Amino acid sequence: EAGVTQSPRYAVLQEGQAVSFWCDPISGHDTLYWYQQPRDQGPQLLVYFRDEAVIDNSQLPSDRFSAVRPKGTNSTLKIQSAKQGDTATYLCASSTGTGGYEQYFGPGTRLTVL
Amino acid sequence: GDSVTQTEGLVTLTEGLPVMLNCTYQSTYSPFLFWYVQHLNEAPKLLLKSFTDNKRPEHQGFHATLHKSSSSFHLQKSSAQLSDSALYYCASTGANTGKLTFGHGTILRVHP
Repeated sequence: EAGVTQSPRYAVLQEGQAVSFWCDPISGHDTLYWYQQPRDQGPQLLVYFRDEAVIDNSQLPSDRFSAVRPKGTNSTLKIQSAKQGDTATYLCASSTGTGGYEQYFGPGTRLTVL
Repeated sequence: GDSVTQTEGLVTLTEGLPVMLNCTYQSTYSPFLFWYVQHLNEAPKLLLKSFTDNKRPEHQGFHATLHKSSSSFHLQKSSAQLSDSALYYCASTGANTGKLTFGHGTILRVHP
């Protein structure tokens, strides 16, 4: 069974540039998550979806970040105007439910904003 | 809000000695607790999760017991192996949410 896939694996930007991250969850997983993991910190939830619906985006900086999952399968996370503080690894995860269900993580996209 | 505390940033052990990584949590509900392991340049992977019926989860020689009285879910192993060297995260979530709250992580280094 294929795991969660993400692309690109690495991105280097200048401040003010835009970038998009793409995630393909495990087939059949209805719940998809995006986490931000700054260097030397634990992952922090940005947003999660059940099917195509946003369930919680309270931690997503809405002025510059956006996330969509239009068909309830793949998802895209976009940063409109990157800042140095956005430097982090962006992890996508998926699961078959919430609460006690295991979240399966992808390899992440390591973003550096210069 | 909910929080998870891992007091040790780095634990260094000699191979064969017992492992104990600390995890305590604060939550407004009765949470599920997890231990994730992350090797260098890899994604976090689930190691253990708590049960609702007080059973003790075990995997790859690791075990953890959820103690609600002390709000703890410490990770233990009787004998450390070199291959156990990795970053370990404790995390919590509620029954009706997908949000995992992670601790800062503990690096475990096992040397010969």
